Amino acid sequence: ETGVTQSPTHLIKTRGQQVTLRCSSQSGHNTVSWYQQALGQGPQFIFQYYREEENGRGNFPPRFSGLQFPNYSSELNVNALELDDSALYLCASSSQGGSYGYTFGSGTRLTVV
Amino acid sequence: KQEVTQIPAALSVPEGENLVLNCSFTDSAIYNLQWFRQDPGKGLTSLLLIQSSQREQTSGRLNASLDKSSGRSTLYIAASQPGDSATYLCAVLTGGGNKLTFGTGTQLKVEL
Repeated sequence: ETGVTQSPTHLIKTRGQQVTLRCSSQSGHNTVSWYQQALGQGPQFIFQYYREEENGRGNFPPRFSGLQFPNYSSELNVNALELDDSALYLCASSSQGGSYGYTFGSGTRLTVV
Repeated sequence: KQEVTQIPAALSVPEGENLVLNCSFTDSAIYNLQWFRQDPGKGLTSLLLIQSSQREQTSGRLNASLDKSSGRSTLYIAASQPGDSATYLCAVLTGGGNKLTFGTGTQLKVEL
């Protein structure tokens, strides 16, 4: 059973640029969620995807968008990057929403300069 | 709005001690509570999942309890080891079952 894999592991972007982060869900999981974790803080919910549609969103602006594909993998896109977007981005997969718990990937460290 | 608090923020103990990490949440309407471990700069590793109808879960040296009515959970670590050094995060599932709300974590250091 493969876990959640995220790519890339590290990324440096310039303010104003756009970035795409990728996530492959754990085998058997049909739901993918994205979280942003600033240094020293707990992860904050960005949004969740189920059946290729957004199924809940946290307090993030529209320049944060996502996709889920038929194989349940997912992308997180961030446009017009700001310095405050520098964080660890975590992807989590689950089945039946989160009733049986979430499995997290190792994250993508994004630095905006 | 659900808020999760973890106390203490940091803890340093000698090897072999039993210790308790605390987590409290403001809204008792949760689906479940999950404890995670995070090593520096890494992702989250799930330790224990407690459903809202359960009182506790155990895995090896770890035991987690849940008192939903009072909005509290504790993580008990027996016979701590240097390898237990990490940040421990608790999270509750709310928002229609699609959103985890996290605390800010307890940073644990177990010294030889």
